[in-house]
Amino acid sequence: QVQLVESGGGVVQPGRSLRLSCVASGFTFSSYGMSWVRQAPGKGLEWVALISYDGSKEYYADSVKGPFTISRDNSKNTLYLQMNSLRAEDTAVYYCVGVGGGTPPYWGQGTLVTVSS
Amino acid sequence: EIVLTQSPGTLSLSPGERATLSCRASQSVSSLYLAWYQQKPGQAPRLLIYGASSRATGIPDKFSGSGSGTDFTLTISRLEPEDFAVYFCQQYGSSPWTFGQGTKVEIK
Repeated sequence: QVQLVESGGGVVQPGRSLRLSCVASGFTFSSYGMSWVRQAPGKGLEWVALISYDGSKEYYADSVKGPFTISRDNSKNTLYLQMNSLRAEDTAVYYCVGVGGGTPPYWGQGTLVTVSS
Repeated sequence: EIVLTQSPGTLSLSPGERATLSCRASQSVSSLYLAWYQQKPGQAPRLLIYGASSRATGIPDKFSGSGSGTDFTLTISRLEPEDFAVYFCQQYGSSPWTFGQGTKVEIK
């Protein structure tokens, strides 16, 4: 059974950093592109970043380019999102999503990040 | 960036009725990478349809997806009380991934 379990969310002050993790199981993690998608309270879904199956390519939404870094460790079946210089606008539930050719996207249950003083 | 526009914004229907939701793209989307989700308050999005027309595991056949190019449709054949929710479309074939703004299906 496919599982994606996010962790690392919490309350953080503006300007501080946070690292999210997502542990995958039930599928061949190293064959899947992985993304982070977020949803601010009461808002729609916003794609944040994408990393290729082997980690060689990274893509970012303009809104996070620079402060955020996506990475992965295929030996640990784990996806990461390093978030620096956090702002109130980064407050959201963060979901990790896995995509492979022709297979359905897999979503985690999300982790809440609240940026507040 | 591919912009996805969903219509209508809100659909007011009664249980038993048919719901037809539209997702229009600003440029052609590969059908392989067009998905539909259902979301209820406080919950993660639930995948309904991927590849424009393939039902995800465990999704009842009252949900169906169709379309190609720039026009895609999600149909719920007969609404049941648990189907009243917000529905999003998503394209994940090109970066940046994009989502529609959502259609809320509410009880009339």
